[in-house]
Amino acid sequence: KQEVTQIPAALSVPEGENLVLNCSFTDSAIYNLQWFRQDPGKGLTSLLLIQSSQREQTSGRLNASLDKSSGRSTLYIAASQPGDSATYLCAVSFSQGGSEKLVFGKGMKLTVNP
Amino acid sequence: DTEVTQTPKHLVMGMTNKKSLKCEQHMGHRAMYWYKQKAKKPPELMFVYSYEKLSINESVPSRFSPECPNSSLLNLHLHALQPEDSALYLCASSRQGVVISGNTIYFGEGSWLTVV
Repeated sequence: KQEVTQIPAALSVPEGENLVLNCSFTDSAIYNLQWFRQDPGKGLTSLLLIQSSQREQTSGRLNASLDKSSGRSTLYIAASQPGDSATYLCAVSFSQGGSEKLVFGKGMKLTVNP
Repeated sequence: DTEVTQTPKHLVMGMTNKKSLKCEQHMGHRAMYWYKQKAKKPPELMFVYSYEKLSINESVPSRFSPECPNSSLLNLHLHALQPEDSALYLCASSRQGVVISGNTIYFGEGSWLTVV
């Protein structure tokens, strides 16, 4: 059974710090890994998707890496800002019954203090 | 347009009521999903529709009944719910249901359901 873990569950940092968020998964037979952001009371916004054949993806101040063989991904946030405060979830996709299934980690609540 | 629209945003219903949640996307996606999210928990998959056919049911109680009338619409019919069913219900879609790497999944803002 695929399990996704994110540690720590919460992180509070001063503005301007570079951050690394960690995600691990137990079964390396994934199709892709996706990082999401969720603001309180809102839905999920996709930040980055890394295909299983890729090693990393970048978007602005965000960089995500994937090491499928070791079951790990990291999300790097450069020069953090208060607006980055949110819960960050990673999710892996794999096949079940011919359809794509997405399993989430429990998320990491990030607070960036001005 | 990368939008998944869910209505209503908030719903309060009694345990004997029948109500429905609605989801719509116009991105031409052929896979649509219902997720349930309790407070401070990650989303949990309920159902997956692929090409308008139910392909995954994660052992969801029958008081939740999904329906996919066409490729753009997804409904979740609710009947005889329990207070513990109160949660945020998220709809999502992706380009195609058959697994091919690179399927970004887009989520709606969710429908907040309270069962009293």
